[in-house]
Amino acid sequence: GAGVSQSPRYKVAKRGQDVALRCDPISGHVSLFWYQQALGQGPEFLTYFQNEAQLDKSGLPSDRFFAERPEGSVSTLKIQRTQQEDSAVYLCASSLVDRTAPSYNEQFFGPGTRLTVL
Amino acid sequence: AQSVTQLGSHVSVSEGALVLLRCNYSSSVPPYLFWYVQYPNQGLQLLLKYTSAATLVKGINGFEAEFKKSETSFHLTKPSAHMSDAAEYFCAVSKGRAAGNKLTFGGGTRVLVKP
Repeated sequence: GAGVSQSPRYKVAKRGQDVALRCDPISGHVSLFWYQQALGQGPEFLTYFQNEAQLDKSGLPSDRFFAERPEGSVSTLKIQRTQQEDSAVYLCASSLVDRTAPSYNEQFFGPGTRLTVL
Repeated sequence: AQSVTQLGSHVSVSEGALVLLRCNYSSSVPPYLFWYVQYPNQGLQLLLKYTSAATLVKGINGFEAEFKKSETSFHLTKPSAHMSDAAEYFCAVSKGRAAGNKLTFGGGTRVLVKP
C-alpha cells in the first residue's frame, strides 16, 4: 500500500503569512507524529495524535503552531504569522498501535514538506 | 529527559572500508534505540532497532548495531561501505509506547563514500 504522503513538498512563504501543511498517514495507522527538522540538524518532536486526540503537544515551539486531525486520519499542521526561524523540513510519521508487539510501534515517515520563509 | 549524541557530523570512508557511526544516549528508563537513514529529499527510513531483546541488532543493507548499557552506546557499523551508503544517518531514542512512542534524535552524521 501507499506510504505516508505529505503536501506540498515545497512551500515558500513571505514572513507573516499563514501556511498549512498536510499529512496523509498510512491507512489504518492510529498514531500520527509531526517533527521539525532544521537545516543540518536532527528532527525534533512537535506533536502527537492518537486517532483524533492530540495527546502531546509539548514540542510545539509557540502558539503560532497548531495541529489538528479532526477525523483521525489526515492531519494538518498550521503555522500562523510565519517567521524566518520557522524555515525547516516538517516531517510527518504514522504508526499502528499493536499491543501484541513489543512496547514500541515503528513509525513510518513521509518525505517531508520543506518550508522556506523569506 | 532523553538525549542522543552522535559523534562526528561528517564521516568519509572509502568504498569497501568499515563504516562506524557513533551514538551515545541518556535515558531515565531502559530505552528503545534506533538508527534511521535519510537520502536527499526523502523521509527517514528505519535501518534497525533495539527493543530489549538481543544486544546485537542486525538491520537492512548489511548494517548492524550493538547496545552497550555500560557505555550507554549504540554504535552503527557496516563491514564494507558501498557507494549507495552515502546518506545522512540519525540515531534516536524512545521511551516506548507508554510515553507515546515519540522519538528523540541526534544531530545526524553525513556519510561520504569515496570510490
